[in-house]
Amino acid sequence: AIQMTQSPSSLSASVGDKVTITCRASQDIRNDLGWYQLKPGRAPRLLIYSASNLQSGVPSRFSGSGSGTDFTLTISSLQPEDFATYTCLQDYDYPWTFGQGTKVEIK
Amino acid sequence: EVLLEQSGAEVKEPGESLKISCQGSGYTFRNYWIAWVRQMPGKGLEWMAIINPRDSITRYSPSFEGHVTISVDESINTAYLQWVSLRASDTAMYFCARLWVSATGTSGLDSWGQGTLVTVSS
Repeated sequence: AIQMTQSPSSLSASVGDKVTITCRASQDIRNDLGWYQLKPGRAPRLLIYSASNLQSGVPSRFSGSGSGTDFTLTISSLQPEDFATYTCLQDYDYPWTFGQGTKVEIK
Repeated sequence: EVLLEQSGAEVKEPGESLKISCQGSGYTFRNYWIAWVRQMPGKGLEWMAIINPRDSITRYSPSFEGHVTISVDESINTAYLQWVSLRASDTAMYFCARLWVSATGTSGLDSWGQGTLVTVSS
């Protein structure tokens, strides 16, 4: 199975900060990667699909980049509602696999 | 509006069987694969399996294959996740999600159910 290594596992940031989260795949997955936001008690939310495409309704401060094995989720200016856990998912090959998650906390 | 409505929380004992459901509405159910995802308490997401409602073709993660079964009833726009014999380690939140695929092949799990909490305890 393809391993997805996500870093950091957690970070502290302030409102207005730029935040960068990375996922590294154990093999080439082209651009078959999505980024999801998790909040307690809520369904996960798709933010970015196919590495760099912004899902409808998601604020433009979120962006994704990368291809092959290295991917990045960037939040350009962190907002209060962005404090959450973020995870990547490769859908290149079965079994699909998630990263371990990055918890974004208030500094 | 696309909605995936999951069945309610369950409390079961080890060894019991269980079938939870995920009903889609607001879209053509048969046109979108449905995935199942587990979230154990305090942990991240784990991809379990996926099914094509058109033909019931399934793909499972090796971590779950043989312990769970996924199925669909297209006539009522519903997907299912079932266990024959639950274990305490099955205690988790389970989500269903719709796989959206664009005409150009880009894709993502764009709509999610609210989750079904399964508690297995003696």
